[in-house]
Amino acid sequence: EAQVTQNPRYLITVTGKKLTVTCSQNMNHEYMSWYRQDPGLGLRQIYYSMNVEVTDKGDVPEGYKVSRKEKRNFPLILESPSPNQTSLYFCASSLGQLNQPQHFGDGTRLSIL
Amino acid sequence: KQEVTQIPAALSVPEGENLVLNCSFTDSAIYNLQWFRQDPGKGLTSLLLIQSSQREQTSGRLNASLDKSSGRSTLYIAASQPGDSATYLCAVKGGSQGNLIFGKGTKLSVKP
Repeated sequence: EAQVTQNPRYLITVTGKKLTVTCSQNMNHEYMSWYRQDPGLGLRQIYYSMNVEVTDKGDVPEGYKVSRKEKRNFPLILESPSPNQTSLYFCASSLGQLNQPQHFGDGTRLSIL
Repeated sequence: KQEVTQIPAALSVPEGENLVLNCSFTDSAIYNLQWFRQDPGKGLTSLLLIQSSQREQTSGRLNASLDKSSGRSTLYIAASQPGDSATYLCAVKGGSQGNLIFGKGTKLSVKP
């Protein structure tokens, strides 16, 4: 089954403790991206990647890092999480970056205390 | 800066009604517009993608139109069902980098 898989689905942690949210897709998609969804603000893009070893900032990249060493994986790294990064995070992928529909994972709910 | 607005924020209709969801955007220089559905506790499911050169797309009971010059799109749902209850999001792709700009969504409730 074609899918985008995120782990973990839920995480409660404390300020400053490094964490990684993994994202994997099995559709051989070139384009992958991370979004956060917050009440009243909607979905905003954090980082995106157009292919292996090619990443760039989205609208809200501060406090996040990403890497794209393999085509199927695009982890989101929070080196020193803070409470304002408490949010619902989504990973998405598509075959290309232009006129292709994006496929989303089921989301990761992060709470930073 | 591109802004996407969806009206209304919430909508409740009886089963069987035809309904229209609205999406407007401020910058008409877009590559495409996508409509998504989001169910509680779930990710987004792509419903329809309209390229900038197209006027509409159809899938089953769903029809999406695009008027780029006026910065508007509509999602028409025919013969609504309780299973259509969800939040519907509109997003535009405004640049070659692939950045999607989302509206805040319309929460639809279809009552049996």
